[in-house]
Amino acid sequence: NAGVTQTPKFQVLKTGQSMTLQCAQDMNHEYMSWYRQDPGMGLRLIHYSVGAGITDQGEVPNGYNVSRSTTEDFPLRLLSAAPSQTSVYFCASSYSTVGEGYTFGSGTRLTVV
Amino acid sequence: KQEVTQIPAALSVPEGENLVLNCSFTDSAIYNLQWFRQDPGKGLTSLLLIQSSQREQTSGRLNASLDKSSGRSTLYIAASQPGDSATYLCALSSMGRRALTFGSGTRLQVQP
Repeated sequence: NAGVTQTPKFQVLKTGQSMTLQCAQDMNHEYMSWYRQDPGMGLRLIHYSVGAGITDQGEVPNGYNVSRSTTEDFPLRLLSAAPSQTSVYFCASSYSTVGEGYTFGSGTRLTVV
Repeated sequence: KQEVTQIPAALSVPEGENLVLNCSFTDSAIYNLQWFRQDPGKGLTSLLLIQSSQREQTSGRLNASLDKSSGRSTLYIAASQPGDSATYLCALSSMGRRALTFGSGTRLQVQP
């Protein structure tokens, strides 16, 4: 059982480049979400999904795009990278918000130069 | 909008001490509260999950309590060890927002 898998683990981008952070889970979880973690700011919600085909914005959605075509995958796309998007990104999933807690991936450390 | 506060931001204790970490929240309409541990440069490890209907949960030397009426949760660590040194995060799953809201964490250092 792999849990929540995030790729890549590290990435350096130039300003203006685009890329996709991958997140996959094999636990048949309906709920998935993306967070960014910055020093002194804690973890902030970027986007989340409550099932295939359904997504919604979190606190800091600007500059990011998501889609959920399957239950297993929830990729996060950076449309035009900016230095302010330098952060550690975490993906998480849960079967339901009532009965179970969230499981987190190991994170992607992104640097935009 | 749910807001989560953790006090203290940092804590240093000698090995063997019992300690309490605090988490407060503004909206009591929650599904559950989850405590995580994060080691430097690493991901989040779930420690305890308390459902909205529960008052506390225990795992080994850890005990977490939940008081929705006062908007507070505590994480009690008994007989602390240097290996407990990490950042501890509390997070809530609230009704109306199907994702977690995090506190900014308490950085714990246990001195040998």
